[in-house]
Amino acid sequence: QVQLQESGPGLVKPFQTLSLTCSVSGVSITSTTNLYLAWIRRPPGKGLEWIGDINYRGTTHYNPSLRSRLTFTVDTSKSQVSLELNSVTAADTAFYYCATYDISSSGGYLEYWGHGTRVSVSS
Amino acid sequence: VMTQSPLALPVTPGESASMSCRSSHSLLYSTGKTYLSWYVQKPGLSPQLLIYMGFNRASGVPDRFSVRGSGTDFTLIISRVEPDDVGVYYCMQGLEFPLTFGGGTKVEI
Repeated sequence: QVQLQESGPGLVKPFQTLSLTCSVSGVSITSTTNLYLAWIRRPPGKGLEWIGDINYRGTTHYNPSLRSRLTFTVDTSKSQVSLELNSVTAADTAFYYCATYDISSSGGYLEYWGHGTRVSVSS
Repeated sequence: VMTQSPLALPVTPGESASMSCRSSHSLLYSTGKTYLSWYVQKPGLSPQLLIYMGFNRASGVPDRFSVRGSGTDFTLIISRVEPDDVGVYYCMQGLEFPLTFGGGTKVEI
C-alpha cells in the first residue's frame, strides 16, 4: 500500500524559507527513474497548482512561475523528498501535497497522494 | 491552458451530472494515448485520482463515472449521483511540463 506523508512547519514568516518533506512508503522510489514525487498546492479558495517534481536521481521539473524560489532534494536512504521555497509571501499560504507521478508513456497522472500539510505565511 | 465549466454544479441524487474540461492543445499523443486525468477533492480530504489516460477509471472508482470526448474537449459524466460525490473535480493535462490543472468544478447537492 503506497503511502505518502508530508511534514513541515504550519507557520512561516514572510520572506523566510518554507521547508517541507514527503516520506514515501509502500513503493521504492529508486525502482525506476520514471517515478517522480510531485508537489502540488491549493491556496485557500483557489484550485490546484502543480509546483514541480523530482526523481531519485535528482532530475527535476519546476513550475516556471516558482522556479526561481524553488529547490527540490531527495534522500533515498530515508525514501524522502524535500521542497524548499524561499522568500515566501502570503500568496504561498496553501495546503501542500505530494503525489507520485509516472513519467513513462503509460503514466502522466498523479496516482497516489499524501494527506497534505497546511502552511500559513504570516508574521 | 485547461478550462473547466461550470464553476459550480448543483446536482440531485439519482440524476446524472456532467462537467466540461477543455485544453488549449490536443492531449492526444501520436501513440494514441490521451494524457488527461481527473481528480476529485472531497471536503476535508486530499485530492484523489478518478480517471487516468483520458478514459480509464482508477482502482475502486465505480462505473458511474465516465469520460467522453477527444483531443481538446472532454466531459466527465457522473450517472446516478450519490451524496458522497460532492467535492471539487479537477482535470489535468499530463502531456507536457508544466503539468496544469483546470480551475475545478464544485459539485454540490
